[in-house]
Amino acid sequence: SQKIEQNSEALNIQEGKTATLTCNYTNYSPAYLQWYRQDPGRGPVFLLLIRENEKEKRKERLKVTFDTTLKQSLFHITASQPADSATYLCALDMWRSGAGSYQLTFGKGTKLSVIP
Amino acid sequence: NAGVTQTPKFRVLKTGQSMTLLCAQDMNHEYMYWYRQDPGMGLRLIHYSVGEGTTAKGEVPDGYNVSRLKKQNFLLGLESAAPSQTSVYFCASSYLSDRGHGEQYFGPGTRLTVT
Repeated sequence: SQKIEQNSEALNIQEGKTATLTCNYTNYSPAYLQWYRQDPGRGPVFLLLIRENEKEKRKERLKVTFDTTLKQSLFHITASQPADSATYLCALDMWRSGAGSYQLTFGKGTKLSVIP
Repeated sequence: NAGVTQTPKFRVLKTGQSMTLLCAQDMNHEYMYWYRQDPGMGLRLIHYSVGEGTTAKGEVPDGYNVSRLKKQNFLLGLESAAPSQTSVYFCASSYLSDRGHGEQYFGPGTRLTVT
């Protein structure tokens, strides 16, 4: 069956270091992969989208890689700050045979804590 | 520009009661979605709509109904609430994209408790 996994439920990192979050998927070839940030009590906020033909994408201190051979995306936050503490979700479009359509499927998220 | 708004923010229901959650977006997006988020389960798609007057089932549609009579509004109904429907509900919208799912804009959520 198709699965999407974010390897760590929680990740603690020292301020100023680079945080690296992992998203793996199995039995599927998505056209693109998205990353979202979610703060407690709030809805997810879109951060970055990377397509299958793109190896890397950057936005300010954020960098996403997409390795379709390894079936893995890495999400990096450089020079991390306490304000980066949040839960980060990856999502990819998966074909759902029961629905007969592609649907965006979310991982369970990784809770990042940046320690001052 | 309010983005995506949800009404109500909180609600407590007794088992068997019904209610409707309202989602509104002012970005002229074609696609709208309803998700539920439970601890340890992540976000799961309940129903979605690809345009006014059309709806489709997501991953966990049982016990819910939806309607999209106007492009900007997407309603989620619980006809007979059950404790298993205690959750945080998020509405989202997105523009039309290849494979149908571009970046999604989420509302602030509705926290529903069914006793």
